Amino acid sequence: AQTVTQSQPEMSVQEAETVTLSCTYDTSESDYYLFWYKQPPSRQMILVIRQEAYKQQNATENRFSVNFQKAAKSFSLKISDSQLGDAAMYFCAYRSRMDSSYKLIFGSGTRLLVRP
Amino acid sequence: DVKVTQSSRYLVKRTGEKVFLECVQDMDHENMFWYRQDPGLGLRLIYFSYDVKMKEKGDIPEGYSVSREKKERFSLILESASTNQTSMYLCASSFDTGELFFGEGSRLTVL
Repeated sequence: AQTVTQSQPEMSVQEAETVTLSCTYDTSESDYYLFWYKQPPSRQMILVIRQEAYKQQNATENRFSVNFQKAAKSFSLKISDSQLGDAAMYFCAYRSRMDSSYKLIFGSGTRLLVRP
Repeated sequence: DVKVTQSSRYLVKRTGEKVFLECVQDMDHENMFWYRQDPGLGLRLIYFSYDVKMKEKGDIPEGYSVSREKKERFSLILESASTNQTSMYLCASSFDTGELFFGEGSRLTVL
């Protein structure tokens, strides 16, 4: 069974600086999706960024980028120029492309604190 | 704008009560999910549905059931609530791209 591990329960960053959140996963499959979701204190989860495993190029969305290392099964999220609004829980998630159910497997989350 | 609406944001129930958590999506998505969120455990899948009247167990279905009579609505039912079901419950829906759209969550406390 696939698993997703986030080893940092909490991270802190100074406003305007860069922070990297770690995620590792375990799977025997070669074709899958990886996601980072953000859950602000208001609780609604939103998608931050998505990576397709067959794409070698790392996904980017404005200040958010990933470092996808397929062989190492690592999928870290880098937030550049951190802003106060980035403070939230961040969840890494995995989805198999072989699974027709479209269900996602989530890590335990990392709480990001942003210091003004 | 896509929208997933959960009927209650906060509920307090007593042990043994029957609890209904309702979720409605307006995106015509086939797939709908119920997750439970607990600190340190992330999100765990309770049940999901890929079509009307279809349901599949997730990783932690014990003590829960679901109902999907219409495409837009997916209900989570706790037949006899217990204190270990105190948690945050998140509903989500998805199209075939796999991205999940979440509701705001329902925080349930069972006394």
